[in-house]
Amino acid sequence: GENVEQHPSTLSVQEGDSAVIKCTYSDSASNYFPWYKQELGKGPQLIIDIRSNVGEKKDQRIAVTLNKTAKHFSLHITETQPEDSAVYFCAASISSGNTGKLIFGQGTTLQVKP
Amino acid sequence: DADVTQTPRNRITKTGKRIMLECSQTKGHDRMYWYRQDPGLGLRLIYYSFDVKDINKGEISDGYSVSRQAQAKFSLSLESAIPNQTALYFCATSEGGSYEQYFGPGTRLTVT
Repeated sequence: GENVEQHPSTLSVQEGDSAVIKCTYSDSASNYFPWYKQELGKGPQLIIDIRSNVGEKKDQRIAVTLNKTAKHFSLHITETQPEDSAVYFCAASISSGNTGKLIFGQGTTLQVKP
Repeated sequence: DADVTQTPRNRITKTGKRIMLECSQTKGHDRMYWYRQDPGLGLRLIYYSFDVKDINKGEISDGYSVSRQAQAKFSLSLESAIPNQTALYFCATSEGGSYEQYFGPGTRLTVT
């Protein structure tokens, strides 16, 4: 079945450094790849997404890249700040039928040390 | 006010008890989803609904049931709770035809 693998499971960086989280997916027909940020005690919140017809998308300090051939995509956070500390989830759309379903990665706990 | 609300936010219950988790949304979305979150496993889909008359099982539906009482309300029930159902539960919504999902704040459920 469809699968999304996310690495690393934990990531610790110094404030101001960059952070990169990587995901691979199994369904070659997936065409939508969102990233969610979950702060403590809250639900996941969509922070950026990318569709299969583009290779990169940027929004201020965050960017996502997609390599469809290799079936992997990555989240890049530059100039990290303590408020970036959270759990991040990647996801990929499930292509079978118009279900709107997503399959999620296992999550990455990012700690930004001041 | 929050667009997607969940009640209760925290619940402790005993093995064998029936429990219902509720989700309401004011976003006007047709589609609603229930997920559970476990450490190291990410978010896994329990059930999803496209409208009041269309309910579908997700990847881990055993031991759970749902009810879509109205477009805005989607409830998850554990008929006979067991300890391995201890987890964080999230409700989410999306517009028909869209993959963008919007999550509620979650319910932390502990089964002792």
